[in-house]
Amino acid sequence: EDKVVQSPLSLVVHEGDTVTLNCSYEVTNFRSLLWYKQEKKAPTFLFMLTSSGIEKKSGRLSSILDKKELFSILNITATQTGDSAVYLCAVEKKSSGDKLTFGTGTRLAVRP
Amino acid sequence: ETGVTQTPRHLVMGMTNKKSLKCEQHLGHNAMYWYKQSAKKPLELMFVYNFKEQTENNSVPSRFSPECPNSSHLFLHLHTLQPEDSALYLCASSQGTGPSYNEQFFGPGTRLTVL
Repeated sequence: EDKVVQSPLSLVVHEGDTVTLNCSYEVTNFRSLLWYKQEKKAPTFLFMLTSSGIEKKSGRLSSILDKKELFSILNITATQTGDSAVYLCAVEKKSSGDKLTFGTGTRLAVRP
Repeated sequence: ETGVTQTPRHLVMGMTNKKSLKCEQHLGHNAMYWYKQSAKKPLELMFVYNFKEQTENNSVPSRFSPECPNSSHLFLHLHTLQPEDSALYLCASSQGTGPSYNEQFFGPGTRLTVL
């Protein structure tokens, strides 16, 4: 059975801290791993990772994939209160026809 | 705004009611999805439509009935639901199938409460 596990489940930090969120997976026929940010309702897309070792960066957020060890990390530097959200990791399989398997998410709270 | 709209945003219904959720995407995408998000559980895929054809039914009970009349519209018809069906129902769309096409854009969701 396909599994996507995120850790930690929740995290509280102060503004300015750097956080690292983890996502490990066990799927057959892996195609890509995606990160989403969910604030109130709809998840918004952050990154899609398909190749190992290539960092994707967007402002203070960055992510990297390790296909050998089957995990990805999402880094947020100099956190702000607006970063408070649930961060979702999802994995796509080659034969899935667009189906994504999501983890339970990491709830991040950034305190002023 | 992601280009995906959902109505209604909130819905309260009894177990004997029949209601429908509507999703519309303005992105020219060909694939649309229904997800269920329950508290403390991973986002669960329910249905996938690609070019109006249902390509995935993830063991969803028959009290949920999807309809995709065209690539821009997706409905979820609800009847004789159970209280455990109370959840946030999210619609998403993506450009289509194949590599690099799976960036999914989500709607705001419909918060459903079944009494």
